[in-house]
Amino acid sequence: DADVTQTPRNRITKTGKRIMLECSQTKGHDRMYWYRQDPGLGLRLIYYSFDVKDINKGEISDGYSVSRQAQAKFSLSLESAIPNQTALYFCATSDSGDRGYEKLFFGSGTQLSVL
Amino acid sequence: LAKTTQPISMDSYEGQEVNITCSHNNIATNDYITWYQQFPSQGPRFIIQGYKTKVTNEVASLFIPADRKSSTLSLPRVSLSDTAVYYCLVGKNMYSGGGADGLTFGKGTHLIIQP
Repeated sequence: DADVTQTPRNRITKTGKRIMLECSQTKGHDRMYWYRQDPGLGLRLIYYSFDVKDINKGEISDGYSVSRQAQAKFSLSLESAIPNQTALYFCATSDSGDRGYEKLFFGSGTQLSVL
Repeated sequence: LAKTTQPISMDSYEGQEVNITCSHNNIATNDYITWYQQFPSQGPRFIIQGYKTKVTNEVASLFIPADRKSSTLSLPRVSLSDTAVYYCLVGKNMYSGGGADGLTFGKGTHLIIQP
């Protein structure tokens, strides 16, 4: 979805380096998510944020941190990257609609390789 | 949130109707069901969403029996371009007491459509 922009699209880094993945959205949604996908596996939730002052850990938050700088921006950081963090990372926003059912809108993903 | 179980993979042929069933035995009263489609190296895309009985949109139908312990995504007259991974998610209504949690994905069903 072009309204959810992830940068960079691809990144190669070395073990031990600090790296930040950025996500911005123009949808005006309060909720934002970071997911990780490994080959052949589904998406796993890293962190999610329901508004600027609310940050929650997901299934696999160890080794990651996030920052919600504004409603439109949600960044994911790897403080000291390790090879098993090599994966495809997705940012998403959600809209609750009238009935309270969330609908996720995803960015194009960031392919991260840690050597 | 209720755990979901789907077949790992399914095969079908162009022009056929495909039904993918998801089991969610522990679904709660305030939970709803959503299906997403994912193509390789892209973020998942919303297909359809519902709470009970039948929901239909321009691309699919969703059947949910009275006990809501399962749901079936029905894709009419599939084509080669429907080859993708399909995910079933159970989410808690955002307007229910206690609010909602982050949305988690299972491994999904890899649907392969052959000529």
